[in-house]
Amino acid sequence: NAGVTQTPKFQVLKTGQSMTLQCAQDMNHNSMYWYRQDPGMGLRLIYYSASEGTTDKGEVPNGYNVSRLNKREFSLRLESAAPSQTSVYFCASSEEEVLSTAFYEQYFGPGTRLTVT
Amino acid sequence: AQSVAQPEDQVNVAEGNPLTVKCTYSVSGNPYLFWYVQYPNRGLQFLLKYITGDNLVKGSYGFEAEFNKSQTSFHLKKPSALVSDSALYFCAVRDWDSNYQLIWGAGTKLIIKP
Repeated sequence: NAGVTQTPKFQVLKTGQSMTLQCAQDMNHNSMYWYRQDPGMGLRLIYYSASEGTTDKGEVPNGYNVSRLNKREFSLRLESAAPSQTSVYFCASSEEEVLSTAFYEQYFGPGTRLTVT
Repeated sequence: AQSVAQPEDQVNVAEGNPLTVKCTYSVSGNPYLFWYVQYPNRGLQFLLKYITGDNLVKGSYGFEAEFNKSQTSFHLKKPSALVSDSALYFCAVRDWDSNYQLIWGAGTKLIIKP
């Protein structure tokens, strides 16, 4: 099993350009997440998807859109990149199910390092 | 408000010595607590979790964590540090005000010196 995969690994954009970060998991997990990591700030949740066909905003959703294409794939789109979006982006997945009381650990991809100039 | 605090930005330990990385929390419901490790230029890896049961939780790579309800703490420990343990460590707790989300600490950089 590959676990959680992300593409690309690195990307440089100019202000105003758009791009989509791809994420896929092969663990049959229901929930998927997009985080950004900035120095000294830990992880901040951008969007998450509790199940195929549903998405919800996290702590810092402005400037981003997401698509849960199917159970495996969850993409993050920057429509008009800004320098403030320079960060490392992580995708994660977990076994959570809607209305379940169980709570599981998250599995992370290797990350995408994005620079916006 | 719910929160997680990792009071030390960096912890320095000599190889072979015991290590402790501190975490305290404040939550509105039962504390579901997690530790993750991040090696340079890698994603986060799950180390261990406390949901219920014994206060001492054992995890990957010889790490363990002690849950202390009265002190609202969940400190990560290892009896004998290795140079390869050098990494960034994150504590997280379930956010009861939202679905399926975690509240993350800012991280503690652990440096093990030979």
